[in-house]
Amino acid sequence: DAGITQSPRYKITETGRQVTLMCHQTWSHSYMFWYRQDLGHGLRLIYYSAAADITDKGEVPDGYVVSRSKTENFPLTLESATRSQTSVYFCASSADRGHGTQYFGPGTRLLVL
Amino acid sequence: AQSVAQPEDQVNVAEGNPLTVKCTYSVSGNPYLFWYVQYPNRGLQFLLKYITGDNLVKGSYGFEAEFNKSKTSFHLKKPSALVSDSALFFCAVRDGGAQKLVFGQGTRLTINP
Repeated sequence: DAGITQSPRYKITETGRQVTLMCHQTWSHSYMFWYRQDLGHGLRLIYYSAAADITDKGEVPDGYVVSRSKTENFPLTLESATRSQTSVYFCASSADRGHGTQYFGPGTRLLVL
Repeated sequence: AQSVAQPEDQVNVAEGNPLTVKCTYSVSGNPYLFWYVQYPNRGLQFLLKYITGDNLVKGSYGFEAEFNKSKTSFHLKKPSALVSDSALFFCAVRDGGAQKLVFGQGTRLTINP
């Protein structure tokens, strides 16, 4: 039971480069989410998706792009990385029916130099 | 908008003593409330949730939470703390019908031997 996985687990990049973080879930959950976790800010929602080809902005979407061509995948792209995007990124998924319980991946630690 | 607050950044408890991690909420309508735990370098793990019914909700690892509508609180409790309970705890509330969760800032729980 793979659950929800993220890759890479660690990434170092330079300012201005494009970076894509991958998220894959094996539960066929309809909903998927991307969060960033920073000291003093808790978890902040970047983007979410209710189904394939349906995405919407969260609290802090600027500088990020998402797509969802398949139910199981939800990649997050930083089109031109900035130092302020240094963070830990978590992907989560949630079933369509239910009370909103989200299940989280292990996270990707991103450092932008 | 739905919100939760965790008034304590840090809680320290001696091993074997009872512990409480506090959470208050602000919602329109009936609240769907959650507790998550995060161990070092890991993703968030679902502990328990309150949807309706009994005000005392039992969850994983011996944790329970008490829902109090009049005080708009959802405090996490455990009768006897273990050193292994040391972690970062997040309270969350479901935000509307889109399965989104709004998280508190987190409380770091340290259990001292």
